[in-house]
Amino acid sequence: ELKVEQNPLFLSMQEGKNYTIYCNYSTTSDRLYWYRQDPGKSLESLFVLLSNGAVKQEGRLMASLDTKARLSTLHITAAVHDLSATYFCAVGTSGTYKYIFGTGTRLKVLA
Amino acid sequence: GAVVSQHPSWVICKSGTSVKIECRSLDFQATTMFWYRQFPKQSLMLMATSNEGSKATYEQGVEKDKFLINHASLTLSTLTVTSAHPEDSSFYICSPLTGSTDTQYFGPGTRLTVL
Repeated sequence: ELKVEQNPLFLSMQEGKNYTIYCNYSTTSDRLYWYRQDPGKSLESLFVLLSNGAVKQEGRLMASLDTKARLSTLHITAAVHDLSATYFCAVGTSGTYKYIFGTGTRLKVLA
Repeated sequence: GAVVSQHPSWVICKSGTSVKIECRSLDFQATTMFWYRQFPKQSLMLMATSNEGSKATYEQGVEKDKFLINHASLTLSTLTVTSAHPEDSSFYICSPLTGSTDTQYFGPGTRLTVL
């Protein structure tokens, strides 16, 4: 059974600082997604990572995937208040279209 | 990208009533729809997968008689919470399968509060 864990669960950081969110999963997968969720809202797609070593960047966010380690990271560079949200990774189960979501990381960027 | 709508956005009902949530794919045909539930400050949990013209597949621990799913057309899937109780209060989100693994789209969600 595929299990997905994120670390940390809560993160409070100062503006301008860097930090990394980790997403570990337990079995082989062929795709991994990162999403952002604002309070009371649905999910906004950030990145999809489909192969080992894949790296994608958008603004202050950069995501990477290591399929051998079953690990994805979401790196935040020079955080700004607008990045405050909950971030989820979701891992696809091989051979199906199902996705298992991580526990989520609630990020608060302090001005 | 795919446009997905949900109706209603939020609903408050009394315990024991049934609530129907509609999920529509506005600009494409969705043969499969995923239904998720999200409790406050928790992650999304897959409840069931609906397929147009056939029975839904429910995840372990989800009562199929309580959460009725109908996928009558390629653009509409509905989730009915029957005899709702306060513990059913949650944020329900649908997500259509578009056939592409590049992006997964989500509806805006329906917040259900059962008094």
